[in-house]
Amino acid sequence: DIQMTQSPSTLSAFVGDTVTITCRASQSISDLLAWYQQKPGKAPKLLIYKASTLQSEVSSRFSGSGSGTEFTLTISSLQPDDFATYFCQQYSTYSTFGGGTKVEIK
Amino acid sequence: QVQLVQSGAEVKKPGSSVKVSCKASGGTFSSYAISWVRQAPGQGLEWMGGIIPIFGTANYAQKFQGRVTITADKSTSTAYMELSSLRSEDTAVFYCARNAGWLQLNDAFDIWGQGTMVTVSS
Repeated sequence: DIQMTQSPSTLSAFVGDTVTITCRASQSISDLLAWYQQKPGKAPKLLIYKASTLQSEVSSRFSGSGSGTEFTLTISSLQPDDFATYFCQQYSTYSTFGGGTKVEIK
Repeated sequence: QVQLVQSGAEVKKPGSSVKVSCKASGGTFSSYAISWVRQAPGQGLEWMGGIIPIFGTANYAQKFQGRVTITADKSTSTAYMELSSLRSEDTAVFYCARNAGWLQLNDAFDIWGQGTMVTVSS
C-alpha cells in the first residue's frame, strides 16, 4: 500500500499569511495527487487535483506543486474562511489520504 | 449538478451489520465510480473501497476486505456500503464520494455525500 505522510499536523498562522503544507508519498505516484479542505461537521471539498490543477470555482489563492513523491499545497493571503483541516490524497493506486493538517488562527 | 444524498444516522450493536445508502441525482450515475470513505471522530480519512456501477464489480482496501460489501443499483442510481462484524472502533462518519474521472476508480473525489454517522455501542 502507498503511504502518505503529511506535515505539519497543525499550523498556526495570521490572516494574510502564506502557508505551505507538505505531503510525501512512500513511492512515486507521478502527479496523481489531490488536496481537500474540510471544515468541522462537513464533507471534504476538492481543491486541487493532478497535483497542481485548481478545481472549478476554487480560489486562486490555493496552489499545488510537486511530482513523484514530494508535494506541496500553498495558501496565499490566508482568509478567515481558510482556517480548516487539509488532506492530501494519492490516487495512483486506489486511494490513500494523508493524516491531515489543521490550520489554526494565531 | 450531481448531488449525493446519504441515508440517516445509525446506532448498532457490536457484532451486527450496517448498510448505508448513497443516492445520486442530477447527472450520470453508472459511468462514474462511487467510493466510500470512513472518518472516525477527530481522525483522518480512510478509503474503504469503490464501485463503477456500469461494471458492477467492487474493489476494496485491504484493511476492510472481507468485512465490507459495496454494491450499486443502476435503476435507482443508488450505491450501498454494508459493513459487518461491527466493533466500537467502527464508530465513524461514512461518506460516499464520486470519483471525478469517467470509468475511473483511481481518481480524485469531486462530489461528496453529506456523511452518515454510525455509532457502535452496546
